[in-house]
Amino acid sequence: ILNVEQSPQSLHVQEGDSTNFTCSFPSSNFYALHWYRWETAKSPEALFVMTLNGDEKKKGRISATLNTKEGYSYLYIKGSQPEDSATYLCAFRDYKLSFGAGTTVTVRA
Amino acid sequence: KAGVTQTPRYLIKTRGQQVTLSCSPISGHRSVSWYQQTPGQGLQFLFEYFSETQRNKGNFPGRFSGRQFSNSRSEMNVSTLELGDSALYLCASRSEGWSSDTGELFFGEGSRLTVL
Repeated sequence: ILNVEQSPQSLHVQEGDSTNFTCSFPSSNFYALHWYRWETAKSPEALFVMTLNGDEKKKGRISATLNTKEGYSYLYIKGSQPEDSATYLCAFRDYKLSFGAGTTVTVRA
Repeated sequence: KAGVTQTPRYLIKTRGQQVTLSCSPISGHRSVSWYQQTPGQGLQFLFEYFSETQRNKGNFPGRFSGRQFSNSRSEMNVSTLELGDSALYLCASRSEGWSSDTGELFFGEGSRLTVL
């Protein structure tokens, strides 16, 4: 049973637009929340590992926030570029790492 | 620094056969975990090893097994293959171990198994 949920499942964004999507997870037994980017024909790559309620992380045009009390995290992409096209996975760690099904982002030029 | 290496990259088996997949972690990483990805499913956790000991196991039947060697290389084995075992199997390593559960994973490119 997948208790990590991501929404939307997919989205299309015009180049230059900003977007965001959600990961929800159980609010109990929380150790960490991971975000990964998975481009076609490549391996998933870590974007962020977040551990504290209220954490905000940023890498270039991508940022993430974390609310462990209510069990959600947002990932933001500012000024989307075609190279941002990928599936973005979040994963919740209690005793193991449980992944969501991902949000697939397609950036149209 | 070499990344996580998985072999073979592609393989085709028939029902009832068994398969062994190999994973070499990043040098210095002692934790190795395995995941299965099938269409429409997220990455499903199989098991995690640290220092040759299975640390955690996912909800998979006993046909799925694994082990880790003293050099941290890991193998997973699936016996009596079923059509539903067709999937991408990903291995990941990380530098932390028993005392830290927050380290990011470094993934290999996966082994794509097709069962006919």
